[in-house]
Amino acid sequence: AQSVTQLDSQVPVFEEAPVELRCNYSSSVSVYLFWYVQYPNQGLQLLLKYLSGSTLVKGINGFEAEFNKSQTSFHLRKPSVHISDTAEYFCAVSDPIVYNTDKLIFGTGTRLQVFP
Amino acid sequence: DTAVSQTPKYLVTQMGNDKSIKCEQNLGHDTMYWYKQDSKKFLKIMFSYNNKELIINETVPNRFSPKSPDKAHLNLHINSLELGDSAVYFCASSQEHGGAEQYFGPGTRLTVT
Repeated sequence: AQSVTQLDSQVPVFEEAPVELRCNYSSSVSVYLFWYVQYPNQGLQLLLKYLSGSTLVKGINGFEAEFNKSQTSFHLRKPSVHISDTAEYFCAVSDPIVYNTDKLIFGTGTRLQVFP
Repeated sequence: DTAVSQTPKYLVTQMGNDKSIKCEQNLGHDTMYWYKQDSKKFLKIMFSYNNKELIINETVPNRFSPKSPDKAHLNLHINSLELGDSAVYFCASSQEHGGAEQYFGPGTRLTVT
């Protein structure tokens, strides 16, 4: 079964510093990858997704992620974070070949805490 | 206008009670989902409906029964509530399969005492 690992449960960082949130998934022939953000007491919002094509994906709020098939990774990056980026970030995968649906399998989340 | 709405936002109830959570989307989407987020923030899919038809039913106890009266609504009824049912329940919708974005509601925090 497909699984997602987010290696860091918490990432503290100072404002305007770069950040990388790590995500690895279990291997599959074809996979869709997503990053969602959850602000306090809110639902999830899509940051970006990889379906096919260019391995570098740009999303909202200045975030980007790179799909690396050989390392089965989809790390999220931002060159300069703001206080407002403080939130929980979830990596997710769906495997259309196995499930033929958009069943999202989530990682355990990474809490990004941005300090002034 | 809220794209995906859920009621109630908070629900506090005692063990053994039956409760329902309602979800509505005004995006015209064909597919709707229920997710459960536990106290450690772990999210897991429970159900998915496409055009009122159940297409995903994870290993959820029979006490949980989703109902989709039309494709804009997906309600979740829970019988005989247990302490372990305490969680935040999120409804979501998407237009189609194949990697489409899922739009999430604000969540319903269920507390069972």
